[in-house]
Amino acid sequence: DAKTTQPTSMDCAEGRAANLPCNHSTISGNEYVYWYRQIHSQGPQYIIHGLKNNETNEMASLIITEDRKSSTLILPHATLRDTAVYYCIVRPPLYNFNKFYFGSGTKLNVKP
Amino acid sequence: EAQVTQNPRYLITVTGKKLTVTCSQNMNHEYMSWYRQDPGLGLRQIYYSMNVEVTDKGDVPEGYKVSRKEKRNFPLILESPSPNQTSLYFCASSPGLAGLGEQYFGPGTRLTVT
Repeated sequence: DAKTTQPTSMDCAEGRAANLPCNHSTISGNEYVYWYRQIHSQGPQYIIHGLKNNETNEMASLIITEDRKSSTLILPHATLRDTAVYYCIVRPPLYNFNKFYFGSGTKLNVKP
Repeated sequence: EAQVTQNPRYLITVTGKKLTVTCSQNMNHEYMSWYRQDPGLGLRQIYYSMNVEVTDKGDVPEGYKVSRKEKRNFPLILESPSPNQTSLYFCASSPGLAGLGEQYFGPGTRLTVT
């Protein structure tokens, strides 16, 4: 199963774009990349996912490199409420769906 | 409002006293799952269920039981809780295999076993 590597923490100024990187060099061709976030001790919240094309929704954009070995989650205008732990997850193949690893994530600190 | 609810939200109990944490979702989701979260260990899956009467172990199932008699409910049972089960527990649901990655999480249950 593909694992992910993320920086432990990052800082971002309020109003600026937050770019959160994720390395998933062992990803296989049929595995999706998912991003979740967890604000304090609340339940994790789904943000976005993609396979190989860039994706955008009302919360964020996801940029996946052409070789799919890494991706970047972009919060275009970070606010203080975006302070959270962000998890990059590679979704396993359907036959191995129980192994949904959240990993350690990146603690994003949005500062005024 | 579409949501996953858990009860209780906070629970302090003693070693060996059986307890149940309930989880319910109102989205008609097929897939439900339980996680525990501990400092330094992240979120780890305990059990999951693909549908009614279909359950299977996750990564840390020891000391836990689950049942799925109805689609909306997925209770987590600790027959004889021990202090190492002190943790923050989350229930999650998902529309099914096609939407498996988009899990909706409950608010969490903070359990303390003394």
